[in-house]
Amino acid sequence: DAGVTQSPTHLIKTRGQQVTLRCSPKSGHDTVSWYQQALGQGPQFIFQYYEEEERQRGNFPDRFSGHQFPNYSSELNVNALLLGDSALYLCASSLFETGAREQYFGPGTRLTVT
Amino acid sequence: KNEVEQSPQNLTAQEGEFITINCSYSVGISALHWLQQHPGGGIVSLFMLSSGKKKHGRLIATINIQEKHSSLHITASHPRDSAVYICAVRPMNTGNQFYFGTGTSLTVIP
Repeated sequence: DAGVTQSPTHLIKTRGQQVTLRCSPKSGHDTVSWYQQALGQGPQFIFQYYEEEERQRGNFPDRFSGHQFPNYSSELNVNALLLGDSALYLCASSLFETGAREQYFGPGTRLTVT
Repeated sequence: KNEVEQSPQNLTAQEGEFITINCSYSVGISALHWLQQHPGGGIVSLFMLSSGKKKHGRLIATINIQEKHSSLHITASHPRDSAVYICAVRPMNTGNQFYFGTGTSLTVIP
């Protein structure tokens, strides 16, 4: 049983570019949450997707958008990249009816913006 | 102000020592998680607590809901315990959102 997988592992982009990160949830999970973790900081909640809709959103600008597909996998898109967007992006999956009590985290995608 | 505060930020211990990491939070919660993050980023969930105490191997987690405080203890620490330990809380009435502490970086020296 595969856990949460994310791709790519590492990514280097330049300012102003756009990036798409991908996440496949743990088998049986239907909810995907995205987090941004800056160096030396705890993860910050970006948004959560369930039933292909954004259900909750943290304090992130509209440059951050997402999508969830019918197979529950999800994408995080960031437009007009800034240097400050350099971070580890973590995806976590859970079963909506159990809430976030049991979130499983992926290995993360490390994004570097130059 | 961060809703979740952890202490210490950094901790170095000799192998075999008993370790305590503390977490204080300022909001009412429905659950608290202790997470372990190794270099490279992957996060593993160690415990989910809503009351009392849980034990798994050499790890013990306690929570005092009235005092809004939790502790993670590691007995007989080992170099493989070296990691960042993160406290995360699920506030009441915020759906499934978590607030995270900034983590405690633990290094266990042989």
